[in-house]
Amino acid sequence: EAGVVQSPRYKIIEKKQPVAFWCNPISGHNTLYWYLQNLGQGPELLIRYENEEAVDDSQLPKDRFSAERLKGVDSTLKIQPAELGDSAVYLCASSLQSGGAGEQFFGPGTRLTVL
Amino acid sequence: QKEVEQNSGPLSVPEGAIASLNCTYSDRVSQSFFWYRQYSGKSPELIMSIYSNGDKEDGRFTAQLNKASQYVSLLIRDSQPSDSATYLCAVNDHKLTFGGGTRVLVKP
Repeated sequence: EAGVVQSPRYKIIEKKQPVAFWCNPISGHNTLYWYLQNLGQGPELLIRYENEEAVDDSQLPKDRFSAERLKGVDSTLKIQPAELGDSAVYLCASSLQSGGAGEQFFGPGTRLTVL
Repeated sequence: QKEVEQNSGPLSVPEGAIASLNCTYSDRVSQSFFWYRQYSGKSPELIMSIYSNGDKEDGRFTAQLNKASQYVSLLIRDSQPSDSATYLCAVNDHKLTFGGGTRVLVKP
């Protein structure tokens, strides 16, 4: 069974530029998560989707971050404009169980560097 | 604000010994608990999940949960150099909240 796929794996941009990350969850997993992980810290939830509905986006900085999961499978996370403090690893995870309580499986992540 | 606390380490363990990692959490309604292993530069990998009080064993790993005391622990028996990684405790009651992780170093 294929795992969670993310692209790109690495991205270097200048501040104020836009950037987008893509995620394809494990087949059959209707729940999808985006996390941010800073160096030396645990991942922090940005947004949770149940199918195509964003059911928890309370931690998403909506002034510059947006996300979509139009057909309930793939998802895209966008930052516009990027700031220096956005440099981090962006992780996508998926879960078979709904409601946010089940086991979550992570993709390899996208390491973003903002110069 | 939900909190999950872990000792950041590093926890230095001789090869073949038992590594003991602890995690405490603040939200009494939490229902599911997870341990993830994260190698440097890699993403978290799920190694254990536990949902009820007591012990759960899987190979060299044993997770222990005590909801009354609000702690969950992970034991790694016969530690190997390949176990050197950061271990993240995660607590879930509709949202997965991670601790900061404990770095484990297994020395040959």
